[in-house]
Formats: sequence, C-alpha cells, structure tokens
Amino acid sequence: QQKVQQSPESLTVSEGAMASLNCTFSDGTSNNFRWYRQHSAKGLEVLVSIFSDGEKEEGRFTAHLNRANLHVSLHIREPQPSDSAVYLCAVSTSSGSWQLIFGSGTQLTVMP
Amino acid sequence: NSKVIQTPRYLVKGQGQKAKMRCIPEKGHPVVFWYQQNKNNEFKFLINFQNQEVLQQIDMTEKRFSAECPSNSPCSLEIQSSEAGDSALYLCASSPTGGSENTLYFGEGSRLIVV
Repeated sequence: QQKVQQSPESLTVSEGAMASLNCTFSDGTSNNFRWYRQHSAKGLEVLVSIFSDGEKEEGRFTAHLNRANLHVSLHIREPQPSDSAVYLCAVSTSSGSWQLIFGSGTQLTVMP
Repeated sequence: NSKVIQTPRYLVKGQGQKAKMRCIPEKGHPVVFWYQQNKNNEFKFLINFQNQEVLQQIDMTEKRFSAECPSNSPCSLEIQSSEAGDSALYLCASSPTGGSENTLYFGEGSRLIVV
C-alpha cells in the first residue's frame, strides 16, 4: 500500500526566504500528487496538483515531481507570516476505487 | 475557496453516545469522501460515495459508523457508540467526478471530542 512521508516535521523561515518541503512515496505507479495547506483548526486548501514529472507553478507555490526518485517537493517563494500552516502532501492510490493517501505534514512557521 | 459545508464545527459526546456530522458537498460534485484526522495529523480514509452509492469503506466504518448521501439532503456520518479513540477532526471532501485526476475539495471539518 502507498506510504507517504514528509520532511521536515517542522520548518521555520524568515519572511521572504524560500521555504522548501519534501515528500517521498513508496509506489511510483501513482500519477496524481497534490499539496494542501491547513491553517489551525481549519479545512484543507489545495495549493498545487501535479500529474507528470517536472515542475508545476501556481502563484508563489511550485511543485517538483520526480517519480523515479519517488519524490515530490513544494517550494514557497517569498513566504509571508500568513503562510504559517501545516502543509500536507497527498498521493492518489493507483488501483481500484481511488483515494488520497496523506503524509503527516510539515508545520511551517514564517517569522516576520 | 472550498464550498463544502460541514456542521457542526464542534461536538462533545460521552462514551457510548451517538455522534452525527453532516456535510453539504459543492454543488455539482457527486463524489464525497470522509476522512478522520487525528491529533498527530494522521489521515484515515473512512468511506466514499458517488451519488448515493457507497464506493469503498474501511472495516471500522462498516461496523461502528453509518454514513449516507441521500439525494437532495446533506450527507451524514454517524458514530453509533462513541469511543475515546474517535476524538478527531472529521473532514468531508467532494469532487466533480470519480476519477483520481480530480481534486478533492475539503470542508472545515467537524471536531469530535469524546469525554
């Protein structure tokens, strides 16, 4: 079964400095990867969806996918304090009735 | 911003009590998922529907939970007899079609506390 792991568990950056988050997965046959953000006690907000190797940019958020290395990353350009949240990597299962498998998240804190 | 509406935002139940949560998916989204998120940010898939039909559910959901998505009414997830380990954030999500290429849009969740 697909396993998704995120690193680091927590990350603190200064406002304006690039923030980079990592996600590894165990099943390279999956072809749908998403990054979500969750502010405290709130629902999940989708940031970027990526379906093929390479890069996908959505505003200040850029995802990089390398399925051969079982790795997808998220880079946040010019982070602001309002970007402080838990960032979740989600991978679709590739067989049967699909569902999303989530990592346990990276807590990002952006200091002013 | 997601238009998935979940109620109530919080509910507190004693052990053994029923706990019921509701979800109105985004308009035009026939696919609905329920997830449980515990305090360690671990997500557990519970059940999903396409229109009123159950697509997939885990064993726990079959035995202690009941869920439905009737036409023209909110979807619901009910725990028949709450246990301490059920304390979690219950997230509902909807999707425009059943394919995995589609994004799930989440509500803000119902936080259950079992005392």
